[in-house]
Amino acid sequence: AQSVTQPDIHITVSEGASLELRCNYSYGATPYLFWYVQSPGQGLQLLLKYFSGDTLVQGIKGFEAEFKRSQSSFNLRKPSVHWSDAAEYFCAVGEGNTPLVFGKGTRLSVIA
Amino acid sequence: GAGVSQTPSNKVTEKGKYVELRCDPISGHTALYWYRQSLGQGPEFLIYFQGTGAADDSGLPNDRFFAVRPEGSVSTLKIQRTERGDSAVYLCASSSYGGNEQYFGPGTRLTVT
Repeated sequence: AQSVTQPDIHITVSEGASLELRCNYSYGATPYLFWYVQSPGQGLQLLLKYFSGDTLVQGIKGFEAEFKRSQSSFNLRKPSVHWSDAAEYFCAVGEGNTPLVFGKGTRLSVIA
Repeated sequence: GAGVSQTPSNKVTEKGKYVELRCDPISGHTALYWYRQSLGQGPEFLIYFQGTGAADDSGLPNDRFFAVRPEGSVSTLKIQRTERGDSAVYLCASSSYGGNEQYFGPGTRLTVT
């Protein structure tokens, strides 16, 4: 069965510091991987996605993620965090039009 | 263009009542998904439509939950005899035929008292 694990429930970083959010997945085939961000009271916004090809993918708002098949990971990174990045981040796995399987999310807090 | 819209944004109902939640997908999107997000959790799949038919309803928790999409556009999620455990945010998403990205609406927050 497909599953996604986000080991960190809550992370706090200082503004301007770098960020890495972890995601591990279990999937039978080559997965499609996604990172979504959810601000309080808002829907999910797609940050970036990986389907195939280059394992380092760039997304919106300065985020990037690296697919590592050997580690079954798809970690999200940002070199310099802004206060507006404070939100909940979800990693998800799926394929084509199939429903997505989400992790439980990582809440990011940004301090001055 | 217009994104996915959901109405109402908030719904408070009493235990045992019937509720309907509506989703308007992006125009032309053939696939439509319903997810449920409980507090502190990620979204969990409920049901998926391709056109008018339910392609996968394996996520519906029990027979109190039902969804329709009669004309292949707007969808309604129906919950009978609501229970306090049904309280959650119900998210709708849509994608184009053959598309790999799902676009989410803002959700409906359902509170059962």
